[in-house]
Amino acid sequence: NAGVTQTPKFQVLKTGQSMTLQCAQDMNHEYMSWYRQDPGMGLRLIHYSVGAGITDQGEVPNGYNVSRSTTEDFPLRLLSAAPSQTSVYFCASRGKTAMNRETQYFGPGTRLLVL
Amino acid sequence: AQSVTQLDSQVPVFEEAPVELRCNYSSSVSVYLFWYVQYPNQGLQLLLKYLSGSTLVKGINGFEAEFNKSQTSFHLRKPSVHISDTAEYFCAVTFSGGYNKLIFGAGTRLAVHP
Repeated sequence: NAGVTQTPKFQVLKTGQSMTLQCAQDMNHEYMSWYRQDPGMGLRLIHYSVGAGITDQGEVPNGYNVSRSTTEDFPLRLLSAAPSQTSVYFCASRGKTAMNRETQYFGPGTRLLVL
Repeated sequence: AQSVTQLDSQVPVFEEAPVELRCNYSSSVSVYLFWYVQYPNQGLQLLLKYLSGSTLVKGINGFEAEFNKSQTSFHLRKPSVHISDTAEYFCAVTFSGGYNKLIFGAGTRLAVHP
């Protein structure tokens, strides 16, 4: 299993541009989520999904859209990038380990700079 | 509402010394508690978690944490740290049934010096 993968690793945008951060997992997990990490603030939940076709807002959803057309993919869209969206973005999925224990797996992160 | 407070933003310590990273939470319902580690330029890795049962939880890399319900704390400890433990550590909480909504603390940067 590749686990949780994210692309791109780095991205620079100009204010007003749109883009999509990709996230995929090959563990057949139903639950996926997006966080942003900012200095001194830990990780904050943007959006999450409990299964294909079902999404919900997290703590800081404004300026972001998500969709979940398949179990594997959970893309995050920035509709009109703003400097306040400069951050590191982490995708995560939740499922059971080989020991039948629930755990959350994080992707390697996407570093976004909005000028 | 749930919240997590990590009391120290930075903890410097010498190699082979013991360390404690403090975490307090607030919640009116039963909680699940987690500690994650983030090495430089990497994603988060689960160190340990408390779901139920024994209040002393052992994790990877020699770390352990103790759930104290009366003090609403979940402090992380290691008896002897290594240079390789230098990283940022995050405490997180969620309530039973709300596993998707992990609430993270602001993080504690552990700096181990030779």
